[in-house]
Amino acid sequence: GQQLNQSPQSMFIQEGEDVSMNCTSSSIFNTWLWYKQEPGEGPVLLIALYKAGELTSNGRLTAQFGITRKDSFLNISASIPSDVGIYFCAGQISNDYKLSFGAGTTVTVRA
Amino acid sequence: ETGVTQTPRHLVMGMTNKKSLKCEQHLGHNAMYWYKQSAKKPLELMFVYSLEERVENNSVPSRFSPECPNSSHLFLHLHTLQPEDSALYLCASSQDIPRGGMDEKLFFGSGTQLSVL
Repeated sequence: GQQLNQSPQSMFIQEGEDVSMNCTSSSIFNTWLWYKQEPGEGPVLLIALYKAGELTSNGRLTAQFGITRKDSFLNISASIPSDVGIYFCAGQISNDYKLSFGAGTTVTVRA
Repeated sequence: ETGVTQTPRHLVMGMTNKKSLKCEQHLGHNAMYWYKQSAKKPLELMFVYSLEERVENNSVPSRFSPECPNSSHLFLHLHTLQPEDSALYLCASSQDIPRGGMDEKLFFGSGTQLSVL
């Protein structure tokens, strides 16, 4: 798979704060996905993006497919304690069925 | 509940043991996957099966041996593992293998946390 650079690696935030994380690649992707993994569980799909420039929301989560098709961003607004977990980006190129994953952003929320 | 069930949830084994991980999906999907997750690293794809036929063996050592008897069940047989094989092993399924640039959403199980002593 392709290498994805995800940042930051971890975040400690206060409840109510907004959170931003991003993922970049040297390759062009035709699909970007964002997953969340809670402790003791497998990743769960949050948002899927299919078009450059696309902005998609899922509740307090908003993700964008970068114009260059080499990056994607995830924002969490007004964080709450249940937002804790590891957030992974994943990308897929058009002629490869395999997903490439980032190393994850660990989010810790302080009440 | 994602519809993908993995057992056991935790496994501790010695380097000379033989054990198996089991995955069952109740989603009617045709494709199943094994991933390895190590701390602070991206998920590593190990094996992919489509309609019980292996379509990917991602340079995985032979001490890991997959088996897919039908489209609902997937096993990972473990033999003479090394301490560096300790990780979370995740099973996933999707309706089909993505083709033609179309994605297929992956549904993951909760994983088996493996410790090799």
